[in-house]
Amino acid sequence: EDQVTQSPEALRLQEGESSSLNCSYTVSGLRGLFWYRQDPGKGPEFLFTLYSAGEEKEKERLKATLTKKESFLHITAPKPEDSATYLCAVRISNYQLIWGAGTKLIIKP
Amino acid sequence: ETGVTQTPRHLVMGMTNKKSLKCEQHLGHNAMYWYKQSAKKPLELMFVYNFKEQTENNSVPSRFSPECPNSSHLFLHLHTLQPEDSALYLCASSQAGDINEKLFFGSGTQLSVL
Repeated sequence: EDQVTQSPEALRLQEGESSSLNCSYTVSGLRGLFWYRQDPGKGPEFLFTLYSAGEEKEKERLKATLTKKESFLHITAPKPEDSATYLCAVRISNYQLIWGAGTKLIIKP
Repeated sequence: ETGVTQTPRHLVMGMTNKKSLKCEQHLGHNAMYWYKQSAKKPLELMFVYNFKEQTENNSVPSRFSPECPNSSHLFLHLHTLQPEDSALYLCASSQAGDINEKLFFGSGTQLSVL
């Protein structure tokens, strides 16, 4: 069964304290792994797409990496404005994405 | 206006009511989606339209009825809903054929069924 699991469910960090969020997946055929950010009261906003093991993408304080079984979203020296829920999704067909339940990240000043 | 716009932002309805959710995209995309987001659960794909033709229907109960009159507008008609249908309903659009095929979401309609 295709499945995407994100951990931890919630993460509290001090401003400047680097950490990583995990997205592990079990799918029959990976056609792209996506990271989105969701702020309260808003829809998810696209961050990255990764297609093959070893691929990395960066944007400001965020870096996403991909292996054959999981993806990590590394956040370096986070700021309070990085607080959000981060969602991971895996594409399995033209229009189908399998989503994780998300990691709620809270950065305290 | 830019992006994906959803109305209303909040909706409270009784189980016998009929209401509709509206979505409009100003991005020139040709695919539109309805997703359901319940608290602490993964997003659930409900319907997909590509060039106004429905291409996906993920076993959604018939009390949810989608309508896509053109590639910029998408509706979700609701009738005789159940309390467990209370959730955030998100509309999204994408450019089918784009190698990234990233989704652009609206802010959602927070639905409460009493």
